[in-house]
Formats: sequence, C-alpha cells, structure tokens
Amino acid sequence: EVQLVESGGGLVQPGGSLRLSCAASGFTFSSFTMAWVRQTPGKGLEWLSYITGDSITIVYADSVKGRFTISRDNARNSLYLQMNSLRDDDTAVYYCARERSGYCYDYWGQGTLVTVSS
Amino acid sequence: ENVLTQSPATLSLSPGERATLSCRASQSVGSSLAWYQQKPGQAPRLLIYDAFNRATGIPARFSGSGSGTDFTLTITSLEPEDFAVYYCQQRSKWTFGQGTKVEIK
Repeated sequence: EVQLVESGGGLVQPGGSLRLSCAASGFTFSSFTMAWVRQTPGKGLEWLSYITGDSITIVYADSVKGRFTISRDNARNSLYLQMNSLRDDDTAVYYCARERSGYCYDYWGQGTLVTVSS
Repeated sequence: ENVLTQSPATLSLSPGERATLSCRASQSVGSSLAWYQQKPGQAPRLLIYDAFNRATGIPARFSGSGSGTDFTLTITSLEPEDFAVYYCQQRSKWTFGQGTKVEIK
C-alpha cells in the first residue's frame, strides 16, 4: 500500500525557517517524481515544487523560488522541503504527493499544517 | 498564465441525481487535465487524469470528457459519499481550479 506521511509542520515566526519531511512507503520511491502542494482557504490548492527521481530536475513555483528548497534521499525513501524566509501568506496545509502522467498526483500525504505568525 | 475556471462554484443536488461540473482553461491544455475530489480534513484524491482516464479504484459513475479548453466531470448518480469539493488541474504550471462544491440539496 502506498503511503506518504508528512511531518515537521508547526508555528513559526515571520522570517523563520522550517523543514518538512515526507516519508514514503509501498512503492519504489526512487522511480517517481515527487512534489509539494499547499492549500489555503483563500488561495486554494497551489503547486510549489517538484523533483525527479534522480534529483536532476527541480522546478519551483515563482511564489517560493529562492526561499524554498526541495530535496530527497532515496536511500531513506524521504522527501524534504526546506522553507526559509517564511511569510504570513505561507500559512497553509502542506502536502507531499507522487506524480503520474507528468503533471497530476495519484497519491497524497495527509498534510502538515504550517502557521506563520508572530 | 493559463487560468482554470470551474463552474458552478456550488452545485446543490440530491442523492441519485446526475452532477455535471465544468472546468475551462484560458488556453488550450490539450488533454492534460485531471480531476480531484476532496472531503473535509482529507487530502485531494485523484479521480480522472488525461481528461478521461479513471484513476485506480475510482467507480465507473465518475467520468471525464473534453479537450483543449473545455472539460467536464460527470457523476452519473450521486452517492452519499460523493458530496465533496472537486478540483481540476492542468499541466501548465501545474495549476488548479478554484473548486466546485457538490452539496446535498
């Protein structure tokens, strides 16, 4: 059974940093492109970044480019999102997801809440 | 920027009725469009990919159609568990629509 489990969310002050993790199981992790997607009541679902299985190709949304860094450790079946210079509008539920067909996501984690507030 | 517009924002229907949801792209996406279902407190669930292909385990009452800029998700006979929010998503910048809520009338 495919499982994705996020962790690392929490309360952080504006300008602070946080590192999210996503533990994957039930599939050959290194064979799949993985992504981070966030959701807020106001902006809905927003794709943030993806990383190919070999980590060669990494793409970011303009809203997080230069502040967030996606990475993976295939030996640990884990995906990461390092978030720096956090702003109030980064407050959201963050999901990791497995990509299929080059753009959509067939498995999602349960999400982890990040709250940026002073 | 290729924007996805979903309509209606809310659809009020009774169990057993047919639901027709629309997703319109401002520029052609070919057939690279997906549909998701999301229930409160849960992650989105992939229903349809590449416009009309059902994802693994998705019941046959869900079907997708369309190409280019106009797409439709049809639920032929609503079951109680189908009342949820539905999102479309495209390949360009991986953007999502704003969602259609299917609520019980």
